[in-house]
Amino acid sequence: AQTVTQSQPEMSVQEAETVTLSCTYDTSESDYYLFWYKQPPSRQMILVIRQEAYKQQNATENRFSVNFQKAAKSFSLKISDSQLGDAAMYFCAYRSRFYTGANSKLTFGKGITLSVRP
Amino acid sequence: AAGVIQSPRHLIKEKRETATLKCYPIPRHDTVYWYQQGPGQDPQFLISFYEKMQSDKGSIPDRFSAQQFSDYHSELNMSSLELGDSALYFCASSLRPIEQFFGPGTRLTVL
Repeated sequence: AQTVTQSQPEMSVQEAETVTLSCTYDTSESDYYLFWYKQPPSRQMILVIRQEAYKQQNATENRFSVNFQKAAKSFSLKISDSQLGDAAMYFCAYRSRFYTGANSKLTFGKGITLSVRP
Repeated sequence: AAGVIQSPRHLIKEKRETATLKCYPIPRHDTVYWYQQGPGQDPQFLISFYEKMQSDKGSIPDRFSAQQFSDYHSELNMSSLELGDSALYFCASSLRPIEQFFGPGTRLTVL
């Protein structure tokens, strides 16, 4: 079974600064997807960024980028130019790439609460 | 763009009562997932359906059951409710094996 670990329960960043959120995972599979989801106070789950394990290039989405280290099974999220609206809970999640019913669910880490100081 | 719809958004029940949560996936999405998120916790997978057939089952209590109907909407039925069932219940849908789109969730409170 796959596991996802987010060891930092809370982090804080100054507005306009950069922050990195850490995530490690464990799997015996060679092909999979990794995700970062944002959950603001509204509790809506919002996809921030996605990384395919077979791609060596790190994914980027505007101010959000990842550092994907497949051998180390590490998947960190970097938020540049932090904004007050970035304050939320962030979840790292894993999904097998094989699209069968038993492999398509998301496995989440415990999450990290990010606060942004004005 | 159409999103995943969940109803009701909020539900208050007494212990030992029954609750039914509904989910309407994004049109043409072939897979529906249910997740449970307790206070301060990460979402936990409950059950999924692919083309109206149950495709996977997670840590779903025997008191819970779910199904997907011919119009692709799904219902999660919860009986003999316990205090510990108080949580946010998410439905998500997907087409192809990439991104799951989450609904806004149903907040269930058991008194």
